[in-house]
Amino acid sequence: AQRVTQPEKLLSVFKGAPVELKCNYSYSGSPELFWYVQYSRQRLQLLLRHISRESIKGFTADLNKGETSFHLKKPFAQEEDSAMYYCALKGHTDKLIFGTGTRLQVFP
Amino acid sequence: DGGITQSPKYLFRKEGQNVTLSCEQNLNHDAMYWYRQDPGQGLRLIYYSQIVNDFQKGDIAEGYSVSREKKESFPLTVTSAQKNPTAFYLCASSKLAGLNRDEQFFGPGTRLTVL
Repeated sequence: AQRVTQPEKLLSVFKGAPVELKCNYSYSGSPELFWYVQYSRQRLQLLLRHISRESIKGFTADLNKGETSFHLKKPFAQEEDSAMYYCALKGHTDKLIFGTGTRLQVFP
Repeated sequence: DGGITQSPKYLFRKEGQNVTLSCEQNLNHDAMYWYRQDPGQGLRLIYYSQIVNDFQKGDIAEGYSVSREKKESFPLTVTSAQKNPTAFYLCASSKLAGLNRDEQFFGPGTRLTVL
């Protein structure tokens, strides 16, 4: 079965603290994984994808096939990072399978 | 602001009524999708279409119907058979080929409330 698990509904940190949003997946093939973000009053948008191996807004995510994880990390959180974050898996078709999301709150 | 638009932003419906949510895109994308977003449940796929006049059921298609008569448009009808229709509905589109073909672009959403 194809599944994406985000175990934390809410993650609260102070500004400047490191952040790690967890994502685990279940997939029988070679996965394509993404992180989408939804800031307050804005549209859901792509943050990054594992294929590009890039850092966006200071965030990185490494695909760990052994642990079937794709955790999103940032060494120093900023208040503007507060948002809803969704991990997504591209399945055998072009459909995306989304996790339940993690709300990140960054306090000043 | 081009891209993908949804209307209306808010919609109220009485029980037993069908209602149609609009989704239009000017990105020349082949694929379009409808999701339902509920608190604590993430995004769940209702229907998707990869080509005009063709569409497939997603994970929660019961009580919904769609059409894809034009590439730019993918309206969603919430029928009276949908038992719990109050939700936030998101439409998305994507390319099926070329650079960044996997990225889905989302509309602003429609919040449907059944009274």
